[in-house]
Amino acid sequence: GQQLNQSPQSMFIQEGEDVSMNCTSSSIFNTWLWYKQDPGEGPVLLIALYKAGELTSNGRLTAQFGITRKDSFLNISASIPSDVGIYFCAGQTGGSQGNLIFGKGTKLSVKP
Amino acid sequence: EPEVTQTPSHQVTQMGQEVILRCVPISNHLYFYWYRQILGQKVEFLVSFYNNEISEKSEIFDDQFSVERPDGSNFTLKIRSTKLEDSAMYFCASGGGGLHEKLFFGSGTQLSVL
Repeated sequence: GQQLNQSPQSMFIQEGEDVSMNCTSSSIFNTWLWYKQDPGEGPVLLIALYKAGELTSNGRLTAQFGITRKDSFLNISASIPSDVGIYFCAGQTGGSQGNLIFGKGTKLSVKP
Repeated sequence: EPEVTQTPSHQVTQMGQEVILRCVPISNHLYFYWYRQILGQKVEFLVSFYNNEISEKSEIFDDQFSVERPDGSNFTLKIRSTKLEDSAMYFCASGGGGLHEKLFFGSGTQLSVL
């Protein structure tokens, strides 16, 4: 089946540092979404990407949809303690409205 | 800001018992979903529901599972005879549909099967 390979699995960084994580797949997706999950909560949508090559920002977050539609990265600039959580990428194929394929997540820890 | 609401937040049940997980999607959304997340693992798609019927389901969503929209606001997931391996966090999500679907998730129901 379709899979998203997300890396790294976990990151330990100092407050103020920039962070980068990415997702790759052998499948083409029409939409890429980046979610953040806090402990005991549901995923919260951060950024949605729809066009190949699209670069989108949301505050300190920037994400890009790869030209081939098979990959995406998420950057967080000047990290702060509340950035702690698990970040998931999720891809959606054209034929499956809302059937999101999730990556395994990147667990981010930020040291003050 | 509108949000997806799920109840209960925690459910403990005995193996073989039936459970019903409840969700109130965002009011003007048309597409409804259930996902689950086993502890420490990724979020997995279970089922999508549109126009009062299942539009897609995964291999996980077998005959023990069913979904219903009993009225204009609630969306439920029923597990008929729970198994130990059904223990997971179950997330409801809703979306407005369209080409560029964005899904909004509830906070989840943690189901523990003993």
